[in-house]
Amino acid sequence: DAMVIQNPRYQVTQFGKPVTLSCSQTLNHNVMYWYQQKSSQAPKLLFHYYDKDFNNEADTPDNFQSRRPNTSFCFLDIRSPGLGDAAMYLCATSRGQGEQPQHFGDGTRLSIL
Amino acid sequence: DQQVKQNSPSLSVQEGRISILNCDYTNSMFDYFLWYKKYPAEGPTFLISISSIKDKNEDGRFTVFLNKSAKHLSLHIVPSQPGDSAVYFCAASARYGGSQGNLIFGKGTKLSVKP
Repeated sequence: DAMVIQNPRYQVTQFGKPVTLSCSQTLNHNVMYWYQQKSSQAPKLLFHYYDKDFNNEADTPDNFQSRRPNTSFCFLDIRSPGLGDAAMYLCATSRGQGEQPQHFGDGTRLSIL
Repeated sequence: DQQVKQNSPSLSVQEGRISILNCDYTNSMFDYFLWYKKYPAEGPTFLISISSIKDKNEDGRFTVFLNKSAKHLSLHIVPSQPGDSAVYFCAASARYGGSQGNLIFGKGTKLSVKP
């Protein structure tokens, strides 16, 4: 089945230690998104790639970066995680810019020690 | 300020009865609305959507109603089944409003369907 896969499902890192979350997709979609979701909150868009074009949301902290080396993979890098960055991180894809629905992975739960 | 609001954090319904989940929005540029369902430890899965040119869309047991003048939409599930127990997210996008059609989510409503 075509799908969006996130690895790892659970990630623990130390305060200030860089961490990378991974997302891959077999849907061959052009757009890949990263969301942050804190407990009992709405998923919040951090940034997205439309093909190779990177689009950062205005309020996404500089601490968060992303890379998309090819169509299938997208990475979320947190350069110096703080306690406030503990959250569920969701990757999603869509066929084209603004096309719906978006298809989500199962998320990576990030904990900061 | 929240542009998409789901004011009921939780809802409990008896099996076989109707579940009604509500969502309000503030941005008049939103022209496409979606409902996602999320089980614990899984990502959100798309359930049903509606364009602003319609006021109703139906798919099996699921119906979404849109009231543009009130900036309100609702998801009706009938009959409700225990397997429908999940968190339901309302989401909206403005496909032509310059926001690149990105989704804005509500905080979700946790539905519990009791046998």
